[in-house]
Amino acid sequence: DGGITQSPKYLFRKEGQNVTLSCEQNLNHDAMYWYRQDPGQGLRLIYYSQIVNDFQKGDIAEGYSVSREKKESFPLTVTSAQKNPTAFYLCASSIETGGSYEQYFGPGTRLTVT
Amino acid sequence: AQSVTQLGSHVSVSEGALVLLRCNYSSSVPPYLFWYVQYPNQGLQLLLKYTSAATLVKGINGFEAEFKKSETSFHLTKPSAHMSDAAEYFCAVSGYNFNKFYFGSGTKLNVKP
Repeated sequence: DGGITQSPKYLFRKEGQNVTLSCEQNLNHDAMYWYRQDPGQGLRLIYYSQIVNDFQKGDIAEGYSVSREKKESFPLTVTSAQKNPTAFYLCASSIETGGSYEQYFGPGTRLTVT
Repeated sequence: AQSVTQLGSHVSVSEGALVLLRCNYSSSVPPYLFWYVQYPNQGLQLLLKYTSAATLVKGINGFEAEFKKSETSFHLTKPSAHMSDAAEYFCAVSGYNFNKFYFGSGTKLNVKP
């Protein structure tokens, strides 16, 4: 089955620690994205990548870093510089269909930092 | 710049009643518009999308949405709500030939028995 895998589902960390969230897709999509979701705020774009070895900052990139060494993988690191890291993190990929782009989402990782 | 506004963060309907979730967009170019559904602690699932082929778009689970350029709206409707429709719904817009998406703040739909 093709899809997007995010692991783990729940992640707990102590304040001051860096943590890396995994995102893997076997859909052969070129573009991948990371969003942060907080209650009542919808989805906010952290980083996106349109091709391997290239990525761009989204609206809330401060305190986060990414890499895109393989087409299938787009890991997100939440650094200790992120002031409020507790949130639900969603990874997505997209493909062009019929002239428009369509996004597909992973199941998400809920990160709790205490 | 593109943006999406969803009116009403919470909507409550009775089972069997009409569902209407509102979405207005702001776009400087003809947009592509999407509705997604999210169940608790899950990712988003695409319900339907508008790509200029037809103004009335039918999606999964009996949902449909109508694109109205004059009103810059893309409201989501379903004639008869089912308990399983209880979820959060997001409207999103992407630009023409632009691989980036902008999401509304979401509307939580509650369905009462």
